[in-house]
Amino acid sequence: QVHLVQSGAEVKKPGASVNVSCKASGYNFTSYYIHWVRQAPGQGLDWMGTINPAGGSTKYAQNFQDRVTMTRDRSTSTVYMELRSLRSADTAVYYCAKGGFCSGGTCYSAPFDYWGQGSLVTVSS
Amino acid sequence: DIQMTQSPSTLSASVGDRVTITCRASQSISRWLAWYQQKPGKAPKLLIYKASTLESGVPSRFSGSGSGTEFTLTISSLQPDDFATYYCQQYDGLWTFGQGTKVLIK
Repeated sequence: QVHLVQSGAEVKKPGASVNVSCKASGYNFTSYYIHWVRQAPGQGLDWMGTINPAGGSTKYAQNFQDRVTMTRDRSTSTVYMELRSLRSADTAVYYCAKGGFCSGGTCYSAPFDYWGQGSLVTVSS
Repeated sequence: DIQMTQSPSTLSASVGDRVTITCRASQSISRWLAWYQQKPGKAPKLLIYKASTLESGVPSRFSGSGSGTEFTLTISSLQPDDFATYYCQQYDGLWTFGQGTKVLIK
């Protein structure tokens, strides 16, 4: 069965960086994209970006592309999301999710069929 | 970027009611649209993809329709477990969510 297990809650000061991890199991890690979605308190879902675990290529949403970096470690089937220059507005639950796949050299977009449990990041002085 | 607009933002309904939520895309996305259900403190759950295909295990009272720029999610007979927030998502270009529709108990 597919599982995405995220790292725990973090409290950071404004200006700091945070690194959230997402460990995948139960499927071929390199065949499916992993995405990051955040949800501020009481707000909707905001897509941040995605990484192709096979080659490590990334696509970021315009709102985040200057401050976010997504990486992966194929040896541990883990994806990482680093967000820099944190501000109070970055206080949110951050989710990883599986969606999209590559086959025979072609990649296909897809919705998100499995999600991590979420990681709360609190930015406060 | 493709923008997604849902309506209404909230709706109040009773158990047994037929409920319809609309999602509009700022440009044509063919049928590359998904619907999610989210309950407080939980991750979203995929209900429908490719506009009308029910994800495995999702009750048949949920249905989706539409193509191009206009889409609907219908719950044919609202059940107590269905009170939640629903999001549409396009996956034609990059990925974008609608702002959500909260379904409240009347």
